[in-house]
Amino acid sequence: NAGVMQNPRHLVRRRGQEARLRCSPMKGHSHVYWYRQLPEEGLKFMVYLQKENIIDESGMPKERFSAEFPKEGPSILRIQQVVRGDSAAYFCASSVQTGSTGGNTIYFGEGSWL
Amino acid sequence: AQSVTQLDSQVPVFEEAPVELRCNYSSSVSVYLFWYVQYPNQGLQLLLKYLSGSTLVKGINGFEAEFNKSQTSFHLRKPSVHISDTAEYFCAVSGFPSGGYNKLIFGAGTRLAVHP
Repeated sequence: NAGVMQNPRHLVRRRGQEARLRCSPMKGHSHVYWYRQLPEEGLKFMVYLQKENIIDESGMPKERFSAEFPKEGPSILRIQQVVRGDSAAYFCASSVQTGSTGGNTIYFGEGSWL
Repeated sequence: AQSVTQLDSQVPVFEEAPVELRCNYSSSVSVYLFWYVQYPNQGLQLLLKYLSGSTLVKGINGFEAEFNKSQTSFHLRKPSVHISDTAEYFCAVSGFPSGGYNKLIFGAGTRLAVHP
């Protein structure tokens, strides 16, 4: 059973270009999370999505960042007009449907380094 | 809202010695607690988690952690470390009721360096 798959693992972009990071959750998982890890820091929550719905985007920067999880295909984290400060590791994670109290294990991918 | 403080940014230790990585949290609601390990250039792997029940939680690779509600701590321990335990360790908290999902709040991490 494949884990959470992220690609590309490494991405180089010039200032002003667009970056697209893709994430395929574990089989049977319907919840996707994106986290960002800046150098020498812990992971920061960005967004939580279910199929075709953004549930919690409280950690997303107000501009240039967007995320989607379409009915078919992987989740996409899109960064428009990248700047040097966007350099980070971006981790996708997934979990199964949870009850109202949460607590299910979240499984992380190996990250995409921008 | 929740926050996590990992009290040591780096912990050097000799092989076969015991180790404790400290984690304190704050929250206005009940919490679930997690420890993850990150090896260089890799994703995070769950070591253990506390949801309810016994406050002593055993995880993979010989690690264990104890939830102390009065001290709002969740320290990670291993009685005898190996070179292969060298990695970054992250403590995380998730508040509940959560609306059905885990919004993990991470500490800044503790770098464990095991020396021969």
